[in-house]
Amino acid sequence: SAVISQKPSRDICQRGTSLTIQCQVDSQVTMMFWYRQQPGQSLTLIATANQGSEATYESGFVIDKFPISRPNLTFSTLTVSNMSPEDSSIYLCSVQGYSNQPQHFGDGTRLSIL
Amino acid sequence: QQQVKQSPQSLIVQKGGISIINCAYENTAFDYFPWYQQFPGKGPALLIAIRPDVSEKKEGRFTISFNKSAKQFSLHIMDSQPGDSATYFCAADQSQGSARQLTFGSGTQLTVLP
Repeated sequence: SAVISQKPSRDICQRGTSLTIQCQVDSQVTMMFWYRQQPGQSLTLIATANQGSEATYESGFVIDKFPISRPNLTFSTLTVSNMSPEDSSIYLCSVQGYSNQPQHFGDGTRLSIL
Repeated sequence: QQQVKQSPQSLIVQKGGISIINCAYENTAFDYFPWYQQFPGKGPALLIAIRPDVSEKKEGRFTISFNKSAKQFSLHIMDSQPGDSATYFCAADQSQGSARQLTFGSGTQLTVLP
């Protein structure tokens, strides 16, 4: 399976600031996704990062809060904007090679907001 | 609306015992059912998966049992080991146009006692 690298692995940020999380894959993939996992909870899909077009957001998530870029088939970024303590969570990138293949996850970015 | 219901929330098993985690779904459009294993500080890792045309799949000590008519599936871990202690998520996957969407269960925290 693909090797997925997320940066940073963790960060502590001040309220009102923004943080950009990077996801790099070692091979080209068709689909890239961003999830949020609150401590001790399950995974919630934020959006699908589409290469060459705007991301597709799930209900409850908006582009102004979570802008996403995907400039090519191996890289995507998620920005968490104007952060508040409620944004403290683990943010996970996942990838899918082809439509009949499973999703594979990176190790996530652990974000704490003070 | 939770589309994949997982139980139990936590499970404690003695070393050598059998761990059983159950999941149920409602959406008959789901066509792929993976299980993920997550250790603290890591992203979910694909453990085993099944498609609805198969009633059982076994990989080593891990077995998925699938009941299409009941819309239920379960993970059995035989000869459970302390190293199996982790959080397990069932999931269900469906095609959404050119993309696929993964819906997770709420997770089961498994502890295997030595």
